[in-house]
Amino acid sequence: AQSVTQPDIHITVSEGASLELRCNYSYGATPYLFWYVQSPGQGLQLLLKYFSGDTLVQGIKGFEAEFKRSQSSFNLRKPSVHWSDAAEYFCAVDTGTASKLTFGTGTRLQVTL
Amino acid sequence: DTGVSQNPRHKITKRGQNVTFRCDPISEHNRLYWYRQTLGQGPEFLTYFQNEAQLEKSRLLSDRFSAERPKGSFSTLEIQRTEQGDSAMYLCASSGPGTGTYEQYFGPGTRLTVT
Repeated sequence: AQSVTQPDIHITVSEGASLELRCNYSYGATPYLFWYVQSPGQGLQLLLKYFSGDTLVQGIKGFEAEFKRSQSSFNLRKPSVHWSDAAEYFCAVDTGTASKLTFGTGTRLQVTL
Repeated sequence: DTGVSQNPRHKITKRGQNVTFRCDPISEHNRLYWYRQTLGQGPEFLTYFQNEAQLEKSRLLSDRFSAERPKGSFSTLEIQRTEQGDSAMYLCASSGPGTGTYEQYFGPGTRLTVT
């Protein structure tokens, strides 16, 4: 069965600093990969996705992610963090059947001014 | 498009009572999913529908849980004889046909508290 690991439970960055959130997956083939963001009291919002092709994908709100097959990773990055980016971020995989997403445990991002 | 909506947003119930949640997906989406999220965890898959057919159920979905999507539009999730361990956020998501099939869009969730 597939699984997702987000090694960092909590990350604090200063506003304007760069950000990288880590995601590793376990699956026999290349899964479909997603990053979602969840603000307090809100549902999950899709930031970006990777299905195939270019391994660097762009998303909303200035986020990007890079798929690295050799490392089974799909890390999320942003060059300059804004205070409004403070939220919980979830990495998720779909095995290509569109039957369900398997999520990591999330990384809580705190942004200091 | 108003997105995925869920009602109620909050539900407080006493142990042993039955509760029912409703999810209205994005109108053109044919797939609908239910997830449960507990504090400090990512969402966990419960079940999903393609149109009105329930195609997969998780082991998490005990026999006290039942989900329906009678006309392939809205869906309900019922929990019978609630237990304190059922306290969680219940999330609904939907995805569209064709290239949108794999992109799930989530509603705001229903937070259940069992006292």
